[in-house]
Amino acid sequence: ELKVEQNPLFLSMQEGKNYTIYCNYSTTSDRLYWYRQDPGKSLESLFVLLSNGAVKQEGRLMASLDTKARLSTLHITAAVHDLSATYFCAVDRRGATNKLIFGTGTLLAVQP
Amino acid sequence: NAGVTQTPKFRILKIGQSMTLQCTQDMNHNYMYWYRQDPGMGLKLIYYSVGAGITDKGEVPNGYNVSRSTTEDFPLRLELAAPSQTSVYFCASTDTRLAGVQETQYFGPGTRLLVL
Repeated sequence: ELKVEQNPLFLSMQEGKNYTIYCNYSTTSDRLYWYRQDPGKSLESLFVLLSNGAVKQEGRLMASLDTKARLSTLHITAAVHDLSATYFCAVDRRGATNKLIFGTGTLLAVQP
Repeated sequence: NAGVTQTPKFRILKIGQSMTLQCTQDMNHNYMYWYRQDPGMGLKLIYYSVGAGITDKGEVPNGYNVSRSTTEDFPLRLELAAPSQTSVYFCASTDTRLAGVQETQYFGPGTRLLVL
């Protein structure tokens, strides 16, 4: 059974600081997704990582994928308040079934 | 394009009542999904469809039914509502015939359901 774990579950940061969110998964996969969810809102796609070593960057967020370690990271650079949200990683089983297993999410609170 | 739309936005049901959550997408996506999100948790897949007339169970299908008669619509039916079905329900779609970033799932705004 594919399991997806994120840590930390809650992260309080000061503006301007850097931090990393980790996403570990239990079985082989080569497709990983990052989503953002604002309180009471739907999910917004951030990154799609489709191969080992993939790195994607958008603004202050950078995501990477290491399929051998079964690990993805979401790095936040010089955090700003607007990044406050819950971040989810989701993994598709190898073979691209297009059925995603979601992590429990990381609630990020950026304090001024 | 409106993307993925869901109705209603919020609903209160009594135990044992039934209802249908509506989901429509206008992007001609072949795959559609229903998820539920319990407070403070990630999403769990209820049912999905790979095309009109084809549906299959996800992780937590008990107490739900779906149908997919057209490409655009994918309603979720709750029969005999129970308090355990109190949750936020999200519909999503994707086009598996595209490559790269288009493979992400696009989510609707959600339906908040309270069963009392």
